[in-house]
Amino acid sequence: KAGVTQTPRYLIKTRGQQVTLSCSPISGHRSVSWYQQTPGQGLQFLFEYFSETQRNKGNFPGRFSGRQFSNSRSEMNVSTLELGDSALYLCASSLFSSGFQETQYFGPGTRLLVL
Amino acid sequence: DAKTTQPPSMDCAEGRAANLPCNHSTISGNEYVYWYRQIHSQGPQYIIHGLKNNETNEMASLIITEDRKSSTLILPHATLRDTAVYYCIVRVYNQGGKLIFGQGTELSVKP
Repeated sequence: KAGVTQTPRYLIKTRGQQVTLSCSPISGHRSVSWYQQTPGQGLQFLFEYFSETQRNKGNFPGRFSGRQFSNSRSEMNVSTLELGDSALYLCASSLFSSGFQETQYFGPGTRLLVL
Repeated sequence: DAKTTQPPSMDCAEGRAANLPCNHSTISGNEYVYWYRQIHSQGPQYIIHGLKNNETNEMASLIITEDRKSSTLILPHATLRDTAVYYCIVRVYNQGGKLIFGQGTELSVKP
């Protein structure tokens, strides 16, 4: 079974631009979570989507948004990019979002550089 | 939320067992302990999880103390490819897909 895929793998943008990242979960998985990883802050939770609805949200500004499609694929968007948004963006999928037992599987990440 | 404490770094000789400790003294009765690892610049990889019994899979063993205040991840025969940052995570019950990562332990396996 194919793992979580993320596109693009690398991206360079300039301040003020916006960016859209894509995540395709493992087949059959319905929950998708997004994380940001930076050297200073480590891995931080952005949000989670399940059945096209945002179920959880981390402590990030409204410039960070996401959505999930009926086939469980997810996109996240960052508007008005800032230098501090340079990071590795990770997507994780799990079978369903029923509490604490399901395991999340991560994709390889999209490395975003904002100049 | 239960927090975890891990040593920032550890070394292990290739072929020997790597024992990575984790303290989670405020863990609740229905919270699981999860372990992930992240090899440089890759996505975190799931290793194992458990509630109160010891667990073993093809990658590792997880030993949880009887009071559940601490656990140890054991890689029985470490290889150079096991060099990575290892994260111990206590899964918050009502937070759905939210994983809270700490700083982890940077394991260096040396020849």
